[in-house]
Amino acid sequence: EPEVTQTPSHQVTQMGQEVILRCVPISNHLYFYWYRQILGQKVEFLVSFYNNEISEKSEIFDDQFSVERPDGSNFTLKIRSTKLEDSAMYFCASSQDIGLNSPLHFGNGTRLTVT
Amino acid sequence: KNQVEQSPQSLIILEGKNCTLQCNYTVSPFSNLRWYKQDTGRGPVSLTIMTFSENTKSNGRYTATLDADTKQSSLHITASQLSDSASYICVVSERSSSASKIIFGSGTRLSIRP
Repeated sequence: EPEVTQTPSHQVTQMGQEVILRCVPISNHLYFYWYRQILGQKVEFLVSFYNNEISEKSEIFDDQFSVERPDGSNFTLKIRSTKLEDSAMYFCASSQDIGLNSPLHFGNGTRLTVT
Repeated sequence: KNQVEQSPQSLIILEGKNCTLQCNYTVSPFSNLRWYKQDTGRGPVSLTIMTFSENTKSNGRYTATLDADTKQSSLHITASQLSDSASYICVVSERSSSASKIIFGSGTRLSIRP
């Protein structure tokens, strides 16, 4: 069964550094998302992406964050200048549609540790 | 404010036993409710989806129920196995095409003991 893949699985970075988290969504999916989950807390929506542009973003997704689909397969999340509180699991997800019968398919996440 | 509350926060049961996890929500207007299973260090995986008109949905040993009047859902796991140890997340969608209207609960951490 096709799946969403994310790399790296674990990223350690120093505060103030830039990180890029990478995702390869399922190939025939049209909607892409980034979520994060701080340890022990609930999954939080960051951003959704459709038709090569951001369709929606949350309050968390401030100017330090950006997303890109540089080619036909990759979907990236960049954090420009990481802060300690950015430490979390970052999940990429994709869906065929945004409707009822299109569940989110999640990758296994990238654990980001900011020191 | 749209919210999804799950109980219990954590649960430990013996292998082979049944258990029921609860989800209460205040999301309105309601579109659908999904239960996801999240293994430690992995992404959530969809187990069931129910719409307003559906009362129950099964997926193997998992049976989800929905009472749209009281805004409650439950996930019943029958004859638990060690591999059922995971977090179970209730996710409720508002009737909207907006991704931010998909509300996640905090999950129930289920541990199955041999």
